[in-house]
Amino acid sequence: KNEVEQSPQNLTAQEGEFITINCSYSVGISALHWLQQHPGGGIVSLFMLSSGKKKHGRLIATINIQEKHSSLHITASHPRDSAVYICAVRAWGAQKLVFGQGTRLTINP
Amino acid sequence: DAGVIQSPRHEVTEMGQEVTLRCKPISGHDYLFWYRQTMMRGLELLIYFNNNVPIDDSGMPEDRFSAKMPNASFSTLKIQPSEPRDSAVYFCASSLRGPYEQYFGPGTRLTVT
Repeated sequence: KNEVEQSPQNLTAQEGEFITINCSYSVGISALHWLQQHPGGGIVSLFMLSSGKKKHGRLIATINIQEKHSSLHITASHPRDSAVYICAVRAWGAQKLVFGQGTRLTINP
Repeated sequence: DAGVIQSPRHEVTEMGQEVTLRCKPISGHDYLFWYRQTMMRGLELLIYFNNNVPIDDSGMPEDRFSAKMPNASFSTLKIQPSEPRDSAVYFCASSLRGPYEQYFGPGTRLTVT
């Protein structure tokens, strides 16, 4: 079992729909990161969080430390949101990240 | 700041050849990471440095891979000899010490034929 599990692996939705991507992890962490990777593109950090909730535009990230679970939400989804979203965690005392396998999101117009 | 810089962006080489990938981290960052991304295995950490010193190289697949960081502004990842299974996108990232974001370079797409 991987230390970081994401679901779903693939998600296709229509423009305007509310999107949720989930991430579960099995170790104690100091931080969780959500990353975005467009096709053929680089990797961009969306959020880094250790508790609670963060919001940036139409994107919202939440984390429940007790449940070892995080969600990434996209409101009013748009085709430009189509990308792979990657969850990564930093274990306590570590500097390196452990990655989930990614969720491929496709938003159709 | 220009962000993390990697070169080359694309590399095509024949099996058995030596390949050198280069990375310039963001100025002032203490940590530098080398990652490999493949369809089968996703993103994997190969090695990371703190203040130019290798800290964890447990992800380096075998002796054919080596990495150096001669100074705070430059790192190399070398594969010698290269094999087709090394074909992947190699990312370099840098960060400050502590709970800070990692900033990724654009990646080098390596194809070994």
